[in-house]
Amino acid sequence: EPEVTQTPSHQVTQMGQEVILRCVPISNHLYFYWYRQILGQKVEFLVSFYNNEISEKSEIFDDQFSVERPDGSNFTLKIRSTKLEDSAMYFCASREGYVNTEAFFGQGTRLTVV
Amino acid sequence: LAKTTQPISMDSYEGQEVNITCSHNNIATNDYITWYQQFPSQGPRFIIQGYKTKVTNEVASLFIPADRKSSTLSLPRVSLSDTAVYYCLASYNTDKLIFGTGTRLQVFP
Repeated sequence: EPEVTQTPSHQVTQMGQEVILRCVPISNHLYFYWYRQILGQKVEFLVSFYNNEISEKSEIFDDQFSVERPDGSNFTLKIRSTKLEDSAMYFCASREGYVNTEAFFGQGTRLTVV
Repeated sequence: LAKTTQPISMDSYEGQEVNITCSHNNIATNDYITWYQQFPSQGPRFIIQGYKTKVTNEVASLFIPADRKSSTLSLPRVSLSDTAVYYCLASYNTDKLIFGTGTRLQVFP
């Protein structure tokens, strides 16, 4: 079964440092997403990406965040200057189509900011 | 995006059938109902999706009454490995999935 892969599985970084979280979506999928989940809380939408541009973003996705699809296979989330409150699980997801199609989620990257 | 309401938690024993009901009173005509499952420290996983009546797959059944203001996810003969959080979503033609707090199902031996 095809799957979304994320690397690294766990990242520890110091406050103020930049981090890049990487995702490889399923190859024929067109829509890509990042979500985060703070420990014990619900899964929160960050951003959606289609046709090489952001299609929607949440209030959480401020100027510290950016996404990129640099080479047609990877999909990255960059946090420029991490804060303690950025500590969370970050999930990448992809979908083949737009309407009522299953979203496939990766296993997540646990980001710990110290 | 229709707001959904589901129980915060449920307990069951192995071998029992579990039914989790979700309320979506303001569901739109074109909205579909989708259920996801999430294990600790893993990403959500699609379980089932439906529009009306009944849908069944190898994992679960989804019952949607004619008014579509609620839906019920049915898990037959649960096992310990079904312990997870289950999310109900109602949406159509939207570029994102919005997760609520979900229902935490605990299965006991």
